[in-house]
Amino acid sequence: ETGVTQSPTHLIKTRGQQVTLRCSSQSGHNTVSWYQQALGQGPQFIFQYYREEENGRGNFPPRFSGLQFPNYSSELNVNALELDDSALYLCASSQARERHTEAFFGQGTRLTVV
Amino acid sequence: DQQVKQNSPSLSVQEGRISILNCDYTNSMFDYFLWYKKYPAEGPTFLISISSIKDKNEDGRFTVFLNKSAKHLSLHIVPSQPGDSAVYFCAASVRGNTPLVFGKGTRLSVIA
Repeated sequence: ETGVTQSPTHLIKTRGQQVTLRCSSQSGHNTVSWYQQALGQGPQFIFQYYREEENGRGNFPPRFSGLQFPNYSSELNVNALELDDSALYLCASSQARERHTEAFFGQGTRLTVV
Repeated sequence: DQQVKQNSPSLSVQEGRISILNCDYTNSMFDYFLWYKKYPAEGPTFLISISSIKDKNEDGRFTVFLNKSAKHLSLHIVPSQPGDSAVYFCAASVRGNTPLVFGKGTRLSVIA
């Protein structure tokens, strides 16, 4: 059983550019959530996908968007990057949305916007 | 407005002693609570959880206590080991669709 993997692990982008981060969910998991962890903070929920549809969104602007694919892998896209977007982006997968279950996290992508 | 609060940014404990990490929440709708451990350059790793129908859950050296009336939970690690040194996040959720809400974390240092 493979765990959650994210790519790339590190990324440097210029303000105003666009970025795509990728996540492969754990085998058998159909729900993917994305979190942003700024320095010194806990992870903040961006959005969640369940069976390829957005299934909840946190307090992030529309320039943060995502996709989930039929194999349950996922992408996070951020347009018009701002300096404050610099953070660790975490992907988490879980088995179902209807019941309590722990989410399993990938190692994260460290995004630096300069 | 922080719904999950970990008021101690850091904690130092001697090896072999008990580590107690605390977490408070404000949203009475939360009914499932989790603790995650995070090492540098790694994602958070699930440690232990507790449902609101319980007041204690134990897994080896780790025990989580829930006091619903006080909206408070704590994680006890006994005995503490140097490998337990990490940042510990408390998280909460509501049954159904809602995501995890995290605290800011507590950095635990276990000194040999």
